[in-house]
Amino acid sequence: KQEVTQIPAALSVPEGENLVLNCSFTDSAIYNLQWFRQDPGKGLTSLLLIQSSQREQTSGRLNASLDKSSGRSTLYIAASQPGDSATYLCAVGDDYKLSFGAGTTVTVRA
Amino acid sequence: DGGITQSPKYLFRKEGQNVTLSCEQNLNHDAMYWYRQDPGQGLRLIYYSQIVNDFQKGDIAEGYSVSREKKESFPLTVTSAQKNPTAFYLCASSRDRGHYGYTFGSGTRLTVV
Repeated sequence: KQEVTQIPAALSVPEGENLVLNCSFTDSAIYNLQWFRQDPGKGLTSLLLIQSSQREQTSGRLNASLDKSSGRSTLYIAASQPGDSATYLCAVGDDYKLSFGAGTTVTVRA
Repeated sequence: DGGITQSPKYLFRKEGQNVTLSCEQNLNHDAMYWYRQDPGQGLRLIYYSQIVNDFQKGDIAEGYSVSREKKESFPLTVTSAQKNPTAFYLCASSRDRGHYGYTFGSGTRLTVV
């Protein structure tokens, strides 16, 4: 059974600092890995999707890497802003299934 | 804009009552899913459907039922057999087996009163 772990569980940084969020998974036989953002009481917004054959994906200030062999992914958010405050979820994709970590709650202080 | 619509946003259930959560998508996706989210835990899969008139149990299907009569719709019924139904429920869809990622709705918060 796929186990997904996200460290740290919570993170508080001053505005402008870079954010580094970590995700690890136990089974490397995956289709892809998807990073989501969740605001309180809201649904999930997809940030980045990395296919199993890819090493990284970038979108604006966001960059996600994937090392399938070691079961790790890292989400980097450059020059953080208060609007980046949210919970970030890592999800590992398999056949018709996503396995989620518990998330990292980020607070960016103005 | 294409997306997933979940309704209602908030739902209250009395003990012994069945309630149905609605999920509609206009993305023309074949597969649809229901996930449950509890505080401090990752999302857990309840049921999924690959195509119309077909669905499979996920990790925590007990006390839940679904139907898939139309491609666009995948309603979830929380039955009285579900002993701890208070949670945030999220519906999702994917174009195929999930190779191209998943799209989620805005969720329904269910509370037992």
